[in-house]
Amino acid sequence: DVKVTQSSRYLVKRTGEKVFLECVQDMDHENMFWYRQDPGLGLRLIYFSYDVKMKEKGDIPEGYSVSREKKERFSLILESASTNQTSMYLCASSFRQGEAFFGQGTRLTVV
Amino acid sequence: GNSVTQMEGPVTLSEEAFLTINCTYTATGYPSLFWYVQYPGEGLQLLLKATKADDKGSNKGFEATYRKETTSFHLEKGSVQVSDSAVYFCALSDSGGYQKVTFGTGTKLQVIP
Repeated sequence: DVKVTQSSRYLVKRTGEKVFLECVQDMDHENMFWYRQDPGLGLRLIYFSYDVKMKEKGDIPEGYSVSREKKERFSLILESASTNQTSMYLCASSFRQGEAFFGQGTRLTVV
Repeated sequence: GNSVTQMEGPVTLSEEAFLTINCTYTATGYPSLFWYVQYPGEGLQLLLKATKADDKGSNKGFEATYRKETTSFHLEKGSVQVSDSAVYFCALSDSGGYQKVTFGTGTKLQVIP
């Protein structure tokens, strides 16, 4: 069974903290994605990666960075968390032009 | 850039009613098209897909046909069940470049007994 695993289901962090969200896939997919999901806004792409050490900005990259040192792992970093980054974060992976497989999501609250 | 537009929800239907959720897209080239479903408290899972014009994707009684002439991929089901209550997302994947996946805003479906 294909699997995308996000390290936490729920996180509470303080304003100004550096936050790491981890995602691991076991399908040898080239592409990996980070989205945030907010009510009424659907899924918005933050960053994606099409190969190891390669990354591209999505639609809302401000305040975020990413790291992909190994093919199976894609990390999202909030350099200095702010309350407007409170959201559901979804990681996904895919083969080229294939369907995306999603993790369970991480609900992040910044207080 | 690419975009996906789907009908606003929420959609409330009685059990056994017919469902249509409209989806239209803007993209260059020949994207692949998808419908995803998100049940409460869960991540998204693929419901069905179509990779070229006139293809019909189907799964669990849901169907959608890739219409290039109208740039549409409407989701239909003949008889909905309470267990179909979820949020449905239309999406497309680039045919070239980095194949990033673009999603619509989602349509919440509530089916009442």
